[in-house]
Amino acid sequence: KQEVTQIPAALSVPEGENLVLNCSFTDSAIYNLQWFRQDPGKGLTSLLLIQSSQREQTSGRLNASLDKSSGRSTLYIAASQPGDSATYLCAVDGANSKLTFGKGITLSVRP
Amino acid sequence: DTAVSQTPKYLVTQMGNDKSIKCEQNLGHDTMYWYKQDSKKFLKIMFSYNNKELIINETVPNRFSPKSPDKAHLNLHINSLELGDSAVYFCASSLRGGQEKLFFGSGTQLSVL
Repeated sequence: KQEVTQIPAALSVPEGENLVLNCSFTDSAIYNLQWFRQDPGKGLTSLLLIQSSQREQTSGRLNASLDKSSGRSTLYIAASQPGDSATYLCAVDGANSKLTFGKGITLSVRP
Repeated sequence: DTAVSQTPKYLVTQMGNDKSIKCEQNLGHDTMYWYKQDSKKFLKIMFSYNNKELIINETVPNRFSPKSPDKAHLNLHINSLELGDSAVYFCASSLRGGQEKLFFGSGTQLSVL
């Protein structure tokens, strides 16, 4: 059974800092991994999707990497801003877009 | 012009009642989903439909019955509500249902008293 872990549960950083959010998963037989952002009272927004054959994806200040063999992914946020404050969830797709989610990391970027 | 919209946003009801949550997507996607986010913030899939056909049916009590009248709509009906059903329910969709980005609605917060 796939398990996805995100540690720590919460993170507070000053504005401008580069930061790395970690995600680990137990079963390396995945089709892809997605990083989502969730704002309070809102739905999830897909940030990046990495196919199992890829090593990384970039979008603006975000870069996500995937090491399938070791069961790890990282989301790198460059030059963090207060607007980046949200909960970031990673999810792995085993089949049929049946995603297994981590609990998320709640990020607070202090002005 | 909301891509995935679900109603209502909040639902407060008594134990034993029957309630429905509606979901509609205007993205032209073939596949729709229901996810449940419990009090510990874990998101778990409940159901998925592809072009009105049930694809994923996780271990969910049969008090929960999804209904897809067409591929743009996936409604969730819950019978005999229990306290443990209190959670946030998210609807989502994807283009074909295989290894693609998911687009989520803003959620329905269900509180059973």
